[in-house]
Amino acid sequence: AQSVTQLDSQVPVFEEAPVELRCNYSSSVSVYLFWYVQYPNQGLQLLLKYLSGSTLVESINGFEAEFNKSQTSFHLRKPSVHISDTAEYFCAVMGGGNKLTFGTGTQLKVEL
Amino acid sequence: DVKVTQSSRYLVKRTGEKVFLECVQDMDHENMFWYRQDPGLGLRLIYFSYDVKMKEKGDIPEGYSVSREKKERFSLILESASTNQTSMYLCASSTRGSGGLPYEQYFGPGTRLTVT
Repeated sequence: AQSVTQLDSQVPVFEEAPVELRCNYSSSVSVYLFWYVQYPNQGLQLLLKYLSGSTLVESINGFEAEFNKSQTSFHLRKPSVHISDTAEYFCAVMGGGNKLTFGTGTQLKVEL
Repeated sequence: DVKVTQSSRYLVKRTGEKVFLECVQDMDHENMFWYRQDPGLGLRLIYFSYDVKMKEKGDIPEGYSVSREKKERFSLILESASTNQTSMYLCASSTRGSGGLPYEQYFGPGTRLTVT
């Protein structure tokens, strides 16, 4: 069985400041990790994923996440956020059968 | 681009009604999924399907059923809607692939269902 913990339900941050959204997981099988983003009134979009290889993965819009096996974490970071990054972010772990288990989400609110 | 469409963005139904939520994907994906999304609970898997006419229960199947008669279409059915089924419902699809690594799920825009 697998589970995902996102301890921060809301993260307010000023524009151009750095941000970290925390994600911890537990899994009894091979670990595949994902971050999805949900903009207001939209479905989920894949932001980035870790399947194998380099533990640092990046998205096209400046986010990055690092797979840390010893700490069972997959935190999402961005060095400088933009107002358009305001959204809800979901961390997920994939177990057997391509099934995703999601965390409860973190609402990132970027303020001017 | 992969496209997953859902029949309605907003739906209002009365308690006891039978409700159908439809999902269609255009990328010939083998796998399809239904989730519900509630504030503070994230997304929870209701049912999923690996192939036509195949279905498996997810984490919260009670009060729901599904149908997959064609590869591109996956329907979620609420046999007798109740107020605690008021939620956002998200459909997703993914390819099975042939390698050892999993493939991402693509999501539809969601249906916000209100049961009164």
